[in-house]
Amino acid sequence: SQTIHQWPATLVQPVGSPLSLECTVEGTSNPNLYWYRQAAGRGLQLLFYSVGIGQISSEVPQNLSASRPQDRQFILSSKKLLLSDSGFYLCAWSVRGLAGGGETQYFGPGTRLLVL
Amino acid sequence: AQSVTQLGSHVSVSEGALVLLRCNYSSSVPPYLFWYVQYPNQGLQLLLKYTTGATLVKGINGFEAEFKKSETSFHLTKPSAHMSDAAEYFCAVSDPSNYQLIWGAGTKLIIKP
Repeated sequence: SQTIHQWPATLVQPVGSPLSLECTVEGTSNPNLYWYRQAAGRGLQLLFYSVGIGQISSEVPQNLSASRPQDRQFILSSKKLLLSDSGFYLCAWSVRGLAGGGETQYFGPGTRLLVL
Repeated sequence: AQSVTQLGSHVSVSEGALVLLRCNYSSSVPPYLFWYVQYPNQGLQLLLKYTTGATLVKGINGFEAEFKKSETSFHLTKPSAHMSDAAEYFCAVSDPSNYQLIWGAGTKLIIKP
């Protein structure tokens, strides 16, 4: 069966510090991968998605970046965190199929980031 | 462009009462529709999804949803609420142009004892 891991579970970082959040998927190959953010009291915001190694699409201009160095690894990074980067970060994967084919997205447990 | 509207950011029901969470969508093509649940400080979990076929979809934990094309709705129901149903619920529609889901803003379900 497939599993998705995220770490760390929680993180407290000072403003201006770097960030690296990692997501890995097991039990599947060639998945689509996604990074979402939930700010307090707000819904899901898609940050990045990837359909393959080195293929990253950005949905929201910001000081965050994403990389996919391996097929089942997705990393979210920042060189300098802002207060507004606080939130709950979720990684998700889906089977790579036809566009709009109704593939389910499966979510990881999330990382709670607090920037002080 | 696809969009999803969830009526009510918060819904409160008594334990044992009917749960009804509303979702309306707009889509230029036959939609794929999803309901997810999120418990506090956890990731999202798929409750159910509609792709094609039977318009009444049964999901986990006793939830079901009915796709009504004429009303562009996909409301989520459960006959009898349980305290463990307290969570946030998200409706989503699949964007046919890419691999993304278009999300509603979410509805927090509060269960009163």
